[in-house]
Amino acid sequence: GQQLNQSPQSMFIQEGEDVSMNCTSSSIFNTWLWYKQDPGEGPVLLIALYKAGELTSNGRLTAQFGITRKDSFLNISASIPSDVGIYFCAGAITGGGNKLTFGTGTQLKVEL
Amino acid sequence: SAVISQKPSRDICQRGTSLTIQCQVDSQVTMMFWYRQQPGQSLTLIATANQGSEATYESGFVIDKFPISRPNLTFSTLTVSNMSPEDSSIYLCSVKGQGSNQPQHFGDGTRLSIL
Repeated sequence: GQQLNQSPQSMFIQEGEDVSMNCTSSSIFNTWLWYKQDPGEGPVLLIALYKAGELTSNGRLTAQFGITRKDSFLNISASIPSDVGIYFCAGAITGGGNKLTFGTGTQLKVEL
Repeated sequence: SAVISQKPSRDICQRGTSLTIQCQVDSQVTMMFWYRQQPGQSLTLIATANQGSEATYESGFVIDKFPISRPNLTFSTLTVSNMSPEDSSIYLCSVKGQGSNQPQHFGDGTRLSIL
């Protein structure tokens, strides 16, 4: 079935650094979503993207909907310890029953 | 966004038994979904819970193993039947409002371990 590949799989960064992660697909999506999952909790929506080329920010987070509609990027500026967690991208197709296909996840660890 | 409550939050069950997980939303939602997250893995859609009709299952998931109910616009249940250790996972409910620009929001999940 369809698969979204996220990279990097995990990353260890220093507090205060900027972080970039991306998500690529073999097929087109009409919606890209980015979620963060903390241990023991469900995924929490960070940013939703609905238009190719769209660039959207939420505080220190910025995400972009790739022009080809086959990729998306998430950037975190000036990372802090609470940014630790697993970040998932997810894609949906209009008319596809609103079903989400999730990426493989990027685990972020922050060194103090 | 809607407040989504799942019960139980976790459980340890014996193989061969069944467990029903409940998902309650504090407002009416258009769509409800059930996902499985195996240990250390990403989320996989099990099915779309349809109000008043049979759920729509994804490839690899069947109604006999994962029966789903959705009697109204705020409530759904997922049953994991005849459980085996391979069913040990987190089971998550998600909801979506009406409109193409309404994202899915998730409950905190049910952590299930089968001995």
